Amino acid sequence: EPEVTQTPSHQVTQMGQEVILRCVPISNHLYFYWYRQILGQKVEFLVSFYNNEISEKSEIFDDQFSVERPDGSNFTLKIRSTKLEDSAMYFCASSKQGAGNTIYFGEGSWLTVV
Amino acid sequence: GESVGLHLPTLSVQEGDNSIINCAYSNSASDYFIWYKQESGKGPQFIIDIRSNMDKRQGQRVTVLLNKTVKHLSLQIAATQPGDSAVYFCAENIDSGNTPLVFGKGTRLSVIA
Repeated sequence: EPEVTQTPSHQVTQMGQEVILRCVPISNHLYFYWYRQILGQKVEFLVSFYNNEISEKSEIFDDQFSVERPDGSNFTLKIRSTKLEDSAMYFCASSKQGAGNTIYFGEGSWLTVV
Repeated sequence: GESVGLHLPTLSVQEGDNSIINCAYSNSASDYFIWYKQESGKGPQFIIDIRSNMDKRQGQRVTVLLNKTVKHLSLQIAATQPGDSAVYFCAENIDSGNTPLVFGKGTRLSVIA
């Protein structure tokens, strides 16, 4: 069964450092997403991406965050200068179509900022 | 305020019994709903979805009920098994535009063997 894959599974980084989280969405999907989950809390939307551009983003997704689809398979989330409060599980997700269609999630990348 | 929420944060069920997990939503424009299961340290796993033109949908051992009048969603798990122990999230979406999927806080289901 096709699945969303994410790397790394866990990363520890120093405050102020740049982090890139990588994702390979399901191959025939056209819509890509990043969500995050702070420990013990609900899953929060960060950004959606379609046709090589951001289609929607939340208040969390400030200027420190960026997304990119550098090639035909990868979808990345970059945090330019990490803060302690960026520590969370980051989930990549994808769907065939946009709103109103099933979104499939990866296993997550656990980011710890120290 | 929060659009999607859950009535019960934890639920303990005896193995073999049926489980019912509830969810309230406040956005009357929402017309697509998904239940996800999240095991510890893993990503949300799709269980079942329902659109607002339906009030019930059944899957394998799971049933989702939608009551649009009171903006309530429930997930029923038949013959609950230890492997069903997880956190369950409901999520809502509007079936048009770019509105993102919004998650509720989650209910932890513990199955007692």
